[in-house]
Amino acid sequence: DGGITQSPKYLFRKEGQNVTLSCEQNLNHDAMYWYRQDPGQGLRLIYYSQIVNDFQKGDIAEGYSVSREKKESFPLTVTSAQKNPTAFYLCASSVYRGTIYFGEGSWLTVV
Amino acid sequence: DAKTTQPNSMESNEEEPVHLPCNHSTISGTDYIHWYRQLPSQGPEYVIHGLTSNVNNRMASLAIAEDRKSSTLILHRATLRDAAVYYCILLNYGGSQGNLIFGKGTKLSVKP
Repeated sequence: DGGITQSPKYLFRKEGQNVTLSCEQNLNHDAMYWYRQDPGQGLRLIYYSQIVNDFQKGDIAEGYSVSREKKESFPLTVTSAQKNPTAFYLCASSVYRGTIYFGEGSWLTVV
Repeated sequence: DAKTTQPNSMESNEEEPVHLPCNHSTISGTDYIHWYRQLPSQGPEYVIHGLTSNVNNRMASLAIAEDRKSSTLILHRATLRDAAVYYCILLNYGGSQGNLIFGKGTKLSVKP
């Protein structure tokens, strides 16, 4: 079945560590996105990419980095510069200017 | 970016219809009205979308006011599985698409 796969579902990060969240899609979508969701809140855009080898910052990009080397993959790295990374992270994809579909999400906790 | 306003919470009884309202008074002519729903610790699930005309699919119906300043998501027979947070958002295909503005949505509770 086509869909968006995020891994891991749960991840723990120590202070000062970088961690990478994986996002893979087999929907042949051009555009991919990363959102952050804090408990009881809406989604906020971190980064998005409309095409391979190109991406743009969203509203809260500081402390995060991404790459888009393949159409199917859009990994998100949470760097040590992100001071409050504990949150629920959502990856999404769409055809250009189409409805956005989401993965199941990844929980990141700082320990 | 145009914003939407939804009630914080609503309750329904199982097998009864549910009407979830959304106000979007600053909607532009090219904004599509999208509805998503989200269960705890899961990604939002696409429900339905429309531009001007009412829309139906297997999950729900979307009724759009003639002036497009409001819309209503209709679940014809609520089930316990429909208990979720429902988000009404506006998507302008001509703009920066990734910057969807998800508010806090409406938390729907379904009683057996």
